[in-house]
Amino acid sequence: DAGITQSPRHKVTETGTPVTLRCHQTENHRYMYWYRQDPGHGLRLIHYSYGVKDTDKGEVSDGYSVSRSKTEDFLLTLESATSSQTSVYFCAISESSPATRPDTQYFGPGTRLTVL
Amino acid sequence: AQSVTQLDSQVPVFEEAPVELRCNYSSSVSVYLFWYVQYPNQGLQLLLKYLSGSTLVESINGFEAEFNKSQTSFHLRKPSVHISDTAEYFCAVSALLNFQKLVFGTGTRLLVSP
Repeated sequence: DAGITQSPRHKVTETGTPVTLRCHQTENHRYMYWYRQDPGHGLRLIHYSYGVKDTDKGEVSDGYSVSRSKTEDFLLTLESATSSQTSVYFCAISESSPATRPDTQYFGPGTRLTVL
Repeated sequence: AQSVTQLDSQVPVFEEAPVELRCNYSSSVSVYLFWYVQYPNQGLQLLLKYLSGSTLVESINGFEAEFNKSQTSFHLRKPSVHISDTAEYFCAVSALLNFQKLVFGTGTRLLVSP
């Protein structure tokens, strides 16, 4: 299994509070991703990173920010959590490049976030 | 932009029966196609992928999928399922020039019963 950990694994918080989720990898992969999974929607890309300090928006980025100060860590922050952000959040990593084309994305175990 | 349609939200099947999970995609550019599997309370794992070449791709556990460009489909098949194949299956697509962004379908839950 790819070395990906997510913390916390479960979190319950209240509307309006800030929340930060952490993804840590030991594979030294270039790309890191944050997805959310909701019933009836599958997985949707929130943000991704293609290197330290290099990030870009995904399909559902409103209300989320990310940071990557080290290759191994990718943080997802909800500045002011809302009930619509209750979801399961997955981190993924890959080593895609123009030379290798899309490599497999390896997924972490997920974080279940509940916003009351 | 790309999109993926998995029309079947749930597919019940008996053990040792064949199964087909349907996936259709929409894209104005050439694409890569993937099937991922998610077992209960776990993250997703790659099952198989089509990048180029032979339109029939196979996984190590007996699944196969065929890329059909004219029908914009990438259906997943297995000739004989096992109880352990019970899981949720996601079809995904990415554009050739924007390969780092995967677009997922809504998933199909395969329920295998004895």
